[in-house]
Amino acid sequence: AQKITQTQPGMFVQEKEAVTLDCTYDTSDQSYGLFWYKQPSSGEMIFLIYQGSYDEQNATEGRYSLNFQKARKSANLVISASQLGDSAMYFCAMSGAAGNEKLTFGTGTRLTIIP
Amino acid sequence: DTEVTQTPKHLVMGMTNKKSLKCEQHMGHRAMYWYKQKAKKPPELMFVYSYEKLSINESVPSRFSPECPNSSLLNLHLHALQPEDSALYLCASSQEGLGLAVGGYTFGSGTRLTVV
Repeated sequence: AQKITQTQPGMFVQEKEAVTLDCTYDTSDQSYGLFWYKQPSSGEMIFLIYQGSYDEQNATEGRYSLNFQKARKSANLVISASQLGDSAMYFCAMSGAAGNEKLTFGTGTRLTIIP
Repeated sequence: DTEVTQTPKHLVMGMTNKKSLKCEQHMGHRAMYWYKQKAKKPPELMFVYSYEKLSINESVPSRFSPECPNSSLLNLHLHALQPEDSALYLCASSQEGLGLAVGGYTFGSGTRLTVV
C-alpha cells in the first residue's frame, strides 16, 4: 500500500518569498510517480509537477521545483517568488508508474500568501 | 484540447431521484477515474476505467454506478443517494507511461453534489 504524509496543515508566507511544502511517502513499489496538485477554492485540481522514481534529476516547472530525496522518501515542493495567486490547498500524491492506477493523496497543506 | 470537462457543475437532488454526472476528454487518454472529495479532505478514489473496462472499484456502494460508453466519455449514475453522499465529484484521465510526466492525471473542475 502507498501512503503520503503532509505534516503542515497550514502555512502563511509573505509575498515574493520562497516556500517549501513538505511531503513524505511510503511504498514497497520500486517504480512509482510523485505529483503535486494545487486546488483553489473553486475546486479544480491543477497539476503542477511530476517526479518519477527513477528520475535522477529533480523536476522543475517554472516557479515550481520538486526536491526529491529518494533515500529519505521525501518529495518536497518548492515555490519560488510566491504570488498572491498561489494561495490554495496543495496536495502531494503518488501512484504506480503505469499511469492507470490509483492516485493516493496526502491530507494537503493550505498555503496563504500575505501581501 | 487538454481539458477534462464535467457536467453539471452543480447538482441538487433528492434521495429518491436518479441523476447522472458526465465527464468527457479528448486527449486520447485511455484511463479515466471518478474521485469523491468531502470538504477539507483529500480526494478519494471511487472507480478506475482502463481501456473502457472497469479495472478498480474501491468498494463503492451500488447506489453509484459508473459507465464508460467510449474512450472519451465517463458517466456516474446516481440513485437513492444519502445526504452524506454530498461532496465534490471529480473526474480525471491519464496517459499511461511517459505521458504522466507531461500532464499527470488531468482533473476536471468537478460537480458539487448536494443530496437533500
